[in-house]
Amino acid sequence: DTEVTQTPKHLVMGMTNKKSLKCEQHMGHRAMYWYKQKAKKPPELMFVYSYEKLSINESVPSRFSPECPNSSLLNLHLHALQPEDSALYLCASSRGQGATGELFFGEGSRLTVL
Amino acid sequence: AQSVTQLDSQVPVFEEAPVELRCNYSSSVSVYLFWYVQYPNQGLQLLLKYLSGSTLVKGINGFEAEFNKSQTSFHLRKPSVHISDTAEYFCAVTRGDNYGQNFVFGPGTRLSVLP
Repeated sequence: DTEVTQTPKHLVMGMTNKKSLKCEQHMGHRAMYWYKQKAKKPPELMFVYSYEKLSINESVPSRFSPECPNSSLLNLHLHALQPEDSALYLCASSRGQGATGELFFGEGSRLTVL
Repeated sequence: AQSVTQLDSQVPVFEEAPVELRCNYSSSVSVYLFWYVQYPNQGLQLLLKYLSGSTLVKGINGFEAEFNKSQTSFHLRKPSVHISDTAEYFCAVTRGDNYGQNFVFGPGTRLSVLP
């Protein structure tokens, strides 16, 4: 069982919709990440939050808006997406952005944009 | 910057046969190395990691990997695979000097275990 929980597992939305992906961890980790993964490809880093502050934005379009309300929660707000944004969105956490160790991944939210 | 190469995009192997998945990296600084597995429609799960110390690292599900600094490799091995090992395997690297933790993933290797 993963200790990073993502909801919803599946999401279908139109190009004019506004929706949000949610991620939660209770391991006391201080760094949280959003990745995007297309089929048969490795995960691509989108955003990193370190101690609840956005530390990395990998030039992601503004139709993706991250939010970190507290150290356990990470949201990804979606608005006016394009069909090419359909992908598996993975949340991950780690003890700290500068710490050794691993990324813990959630099971992902499968997004389909119609 | 670091980069990771996984030379084999697909590896078919018969059940109970041994397997090796290859990973090579490039970096101008010391690195930490990881292998992750992704089963269909799931997130990534850590198999094993090398941070320091013994170059032979044992992980979950009977997998092991050997860090070879001179060859900049971190190949993953299992002596006898099962059908349930069918999955995508990603090698990943981060800087080993605690300066940030941006994982760089390889392109992945699809392991298919055949009956």
